[in-house]
Amino acid sequence: KAGVTQTPRYLIKTRGQQVTLSCSPISGHRSVSWYQQTPGQGLQFLFEYFSETQRNKGNFPGRFSGRQFSNSRSEMNVSTLELGDSALYLCASSLVYSLDIYEQYFGPGTRLTVT
Amino acid sequence: GIQVEQSPPDLILQEGANSTLRCNFSDSVNNLQWFHQNPWGQLINLFYIPSGTKQNGRLSATTVATERYSLLYISSSQTTDSGVYFCAVNGASGSARQLTFGSGTQLTVLP
Repeated sequence: KAGVTQTPRYLIKTRGQQVTLSCSPISGHRSVSWYQQTPGQGLQFLFEYFSETQRNKGNFPGRFSGRQFSNSRSEMNVSTLELGDSALYLCASSLVYSLDIYEQYFGPGTRLTVT
Repeated sequence: GIQVEQSPPDLILQEGANSTLRCNFSDSVNNLQWFHQNPWGQLINLFYIPSGTKQNGRLSATTVATERYSLLYISSSQTTDSGVYFCAVNGASGSARQLTFGSGTQLTVLP
């Protein structure tokens, strides 16, 4: 079974631009979670989507948004990019055993550099 | 929210040595996973272990949920074991599928 895929793998943008990142979960997984990893803040939860609905969002400004499609693929969007948005963005899909019991599998990440 | 502390933050070993990495968490958890982040940034699943003991080759893990800690053991370390090891949990009261990560242990295995 194919793993989680993320595109693009690398991206360079300038301040003020917007960016869209894509994530395809493992086949059959319907839950997709996004994380941001920076040297200063570590790995932080952005949001989770399940059945095309955002279930929760971490402590990030409204410039960070996302969506999920009916095939469970997810996109995240960052508008009006700031230098501090430079990070590794990781997507995870969840193997759900029950409502609160799950195991996450991560994609290779998208490394975003904002100049 | 739940707090996760990992120790030690850095560990340098000679090839062939054994090591123990620790993860303490501040509340009851439904989920606990150990990951290895490779040099390209991908998080590789090592163990899903909210309680009990598991082994996979040279790696093993133990979680004592009642005492709120987990241990990752690496035996006969190899240079390819180098990288950052993360512990991540989801609190028992959590409603979303979001993991809270520790700060990681940077492991360097010298030849």
